[in-house]
Amino acid sequence: GAVVSQHPSWVICKSGTSVKIECRSLDFQATTMFWYRQFPKKSLMLMATSNEGSKATYEQGVEKDKFLINHASLTLSTLTVTSAHPEDSSFYICSARSRGGWSSYEQYFGPGTRLTVT
Amino acid sequence: QQQVKQSPQSLIVQKGGISIINCAYENTAFDYFPWYQQFPGKGPALLIAIRPDVSEKKEGRFTISFNKSAKQFSLHIMDSQPGDSATYFCAAGNTGKLIFGQGTTLQVKP
Repeated sequence: GAVVSQHPSWVICKSGTSVKIECRSLDFQATTMFWYRQFPKKSLMLMATSNEGSKATYEQGVEKDKFLINHASLTLSTLTVTSAHPEDSSFYICSARSRGGWSSYEQYFGPGTRLTVT
Repeated sequence: QQQVKQSPQSLIVQKGGISIINCAYENTAFDYFPWYQQFPGKGPALLIAIRPDVSEKKEGRFTISFNKSAKQFSLHIMDSQPGDSATYFCAAGNTGKLIFGQGTTLQVKP
């Protein structure tokens, strides 16, 4: 149980284009999803928190107009990197959290998406 | 105050040995302390987690020790195996948001 998928697993795009990454909770309903960014050999940096049906909350320093997050249902959140530039190249990881009690703290991570902007 | 400091940055252990990774936090509002294991190119996987009302939790070869007064917690991996070679992250959270430590790269030599 508690499986989170991401699609695509890797993507290469040209500078100036936009790319969308999907995050799905496969066997549970995720009231909250999180998007992280990870640089090589570095820790996870939280970019934003998204709750189903409401606007995402972005961490300080994260451009909300560049990283568009939509949480349209209890099983799907998307991250769109708009007008991508080479400095946006990174490993993007989502996580999902179910509702209620002790389990509401547990975050289950997707396998990540490697984005390379050329 | 939101930082979680993790040490060591890297660790080499012989097969069968004990691996110990330490974390320290400042924010006393944190009430959930998980450990994650990450293999290269993969997302982190939840290993074990603890709440501050207990001092120790054990699951198989993995044990979390928690010292609330010192604001420190640690992961012990008993009988370490080459398959345990990975990067380990501690984290601390409240209201569901997690703050991650810097990570420890563990290498278990056969």
